[in-house]
Amino acid sequence: DTGVSQNPRHKITKRGQNVTFRCDPISEHNRLYWYRQTLGQGPEFLTYFQNEAQLEKSRLLSDRFSAERPKGSFSTLEIQRTEQGDSAMYLCASSSRDRRTDTQYFGPGTRLTVL
Amino acid sequence: AQTVTQSQPEMSVQEAETVTLSCTYDTSESDYYLFWYKQPPSRQMILVIRQEAYKQQNATENRFSVNFQKAAKSFSLKISDSQLGDAAMYFCALISSGSARQLTFGSGTQLTVLP
Repeated sequence: DTGVSQNPRHKITKRGQNVTFRCDPISEHNRLYWYRQTLGQGPEFLTYFQNEAQLEKSRLLSDRFSAERPKGSFSTLEIQRTEQGDSAMYLCASSSRDRRTDTQYFGPGTRLTVL
Repeated sequence: AQTVTQSQPEMSVQEAETVTLSCTYDTSESDYYLFWYKQPPSRQMILVIRQEAYKQQNATENRFSVNFQKAAKSFSLKISDSQLGDAAMYFCALISSGSARQLTFGSGTQLTVLP
């Protein structure tokens, strides 16, 4: 069990550029989640996948955000035309198909800074 | 909608002493899970303890235990024999069976452990 991994760990970009983050969940986990965390706050839910299906999207996920999980394994989160307000830590989590457990395990996050 | 409230932005405890972090929540669902996560300065979110709402017995994990008061919608975390490594931001979180599989987090409590 290697845990949830995220790449890159840090990303600095200029306003208006596109960025893409990757998340690799724990191998046997079929559920994958994206959260956004700003400084001093708790994480806020963005979106959720079960296998390759995107089942839920938050209102926080504007049209500039898109997430995919093409083969039900890793996931990517893309932000187009970045804005300074997008600066945050983007966290990925995964959980088991065992509904009773349903414990989410988090990756180290990708810190995005938009200049 | 579900909400989680942590009313203590900061707490401090002397090494080897006991501290209790407070959390209240609100949900209309009868089946839900509560969690405490720890986020050290490295910012990787780590699961501390989990409580299933249908279980009356309070969860315990080594030095960490909870006081789950379902009627009062209260879920506090007790850390016994505090260690320097316990210093971190602690988040209370809730997931309900009837909602999307998203965690709702509180705003966190920053715990300082004094030597």
